[in-house]
Amino acid sequence: GDSVTQMEGPVTLSEEAFLTINCTYTATGYPSLFWYVQYPGEGLQLLLKATKADDKGSNKGFEATYRKETTSFHLEKGSVQVSDSAVYFCALSDSQGAQKLVFGQGTRLTINP
Amino acid sequence: EPEVTQTPSHQVTQMGQEVILRCVPISNHLYFYWYRQILGQKVEFLVSFYNNEISEKSEIFDDQFSVERPDGSNFTLKIRSTKLEDSAMYFCASTATGLASLEQYFGPGTRLTVT
Repeated sequence: GDSVTQMEGPVTLSEEAFLTINCTYTATGYPSLFWYVQYPGEGLQLLLKATKADDKGSNKGFEATYRKETTSFHLEKGSVQVSDSAVYFCALSDSQGAQKLVFGQGTRLTINP
Repeated sequence: EPEVTQTPSHQVTQMGQEVILRCVPISNHLYFYWYRQILGQKVEFLVSFYNNEISEKSEIFDDQFSVERPDGSNFTLKIRSTKLEDSAMYFCASTATGLASLEQYFGPGTRLTVT
């Protein structure tokens, strides 16, 4: 079945550092790919998405490119802020009729000032 | 901005008891979902619901689980006889349509603790 493998955490960085969180997937169809973020005490919120190969999703300085050849959707940000501290989830939704999300295990990111 | 709400935020129950977790999806949404996250593990799909019936369910969603939309606003998850391994964070989500490319809107979750 479909699966998502995400970089193990936790990840701790200093403010203004470069961030990469790796995500790879396995899917039988042509999935849509998502990054969700969970801030403390809140639900999961969509950060960005890409729905087809070579699409780049971007939001709040974060970017991820849908790479079909490497089945990857790595999350990057050039300069992180303390307010980016949260748990990040990579997820896919298969195009073959099912709307359910399949999640990676989540990566806890802490940014120190 | 419209949001999905869930109650209670934390529920403690004894093994074997029934619990009902409640969700109010966004008002014009038609597709509803439950997910759970056991501490330290992945967020896992439980069930999707559309047009007053289950459209898909996972292996986790056995006979002990049921879902209902009792009125025009609430969406509930019932666990008939809770087990210790049901302890988890339960998330409700909703979308306007069933398109796979569409964002799902999540509630803040209910933490269920079974003792």
